[in-house]
Amino acid sequence: RKEVEQDPGPFNVPEGATVAFNCTYSNSASQSFFWYRQDCRKEPKLLMSVYSSGNEDGRFTAQLNRASQYISLLIRDSKLSDSATYLCVVKGGISTDSWGKLQFGAGTQVVVTP
Amino acid sequence: ETGVTQTPRHLVMGMTNKKSLKCEQHLGHNAMYWYKQSAKKPLELMFVYSLEERVENNSVPSRFSPECPNSSHLFLHLHTLQPEDSALYLCASSQENWSQPQHFGDGTRLSIL
Repeated sequence: RKEVEQDPGPFNVPEGATVAFNCTYSNSASQSFFWYRQDCRKEPKLLMSVYSSGNEDGRFTAQLNRASQYISLLIRDSKLSDSATYLCVVKGGISTDSWGKLQFGAGTQVVVTP
Repeated sequence: ETGVTQTPRHLVMGMTNKKSLKCEQHLGHNAMYWYKQSAKKPLELMFVYSLEERVENNSVPSRFSPECPNSSHLFLHLHTLQPEDSALYLCASSQENWSQPQHFGDGTRLSIL
């Protein structure tokens, strides 16, 4: 089983619509969670950290469900510029073998269409 | 301005060549990383340096040799690479505690002929 799993997509989203997708992780000791965005042939860029209580940054909302071991990302009012691959990233906690290691999902591709 | 700069951006080399990739971070971080990203695959962690000491080597072939002379610079020395080593090589840095994200450089796109 992969450490971090994502639906590869693509999610084809009309401009202005809402899209949401999840990411599951296998290590219950994981402590930190992030969403990164990666444009074609570019480096990953931090989109947002994911906090236990859930958090929002503009049109983006991230949620964490520790019991079911998944995180989610919701994009409201999608813009054409939101087209990208969204990488789920999980970081091991202190006192675990995976401390400090980032585990990356393979990414979910989102395509926003006019 | 990403705060992490990598050179060169593109590199084409033959299997018998020796070259080096360079990474420099301007963020005051104390940990640096090399990742490999092949098409349609997740990022693969190659090496981790924390406080200039290598703390992770993920079973990377010896034809890849990292060097971290100080906390701001990281190199990846390449020799006798194989065609399957063609990929995007990404450098990242972070302030090493469990909650801090990593910041990536633009990457070096490497093609092995």
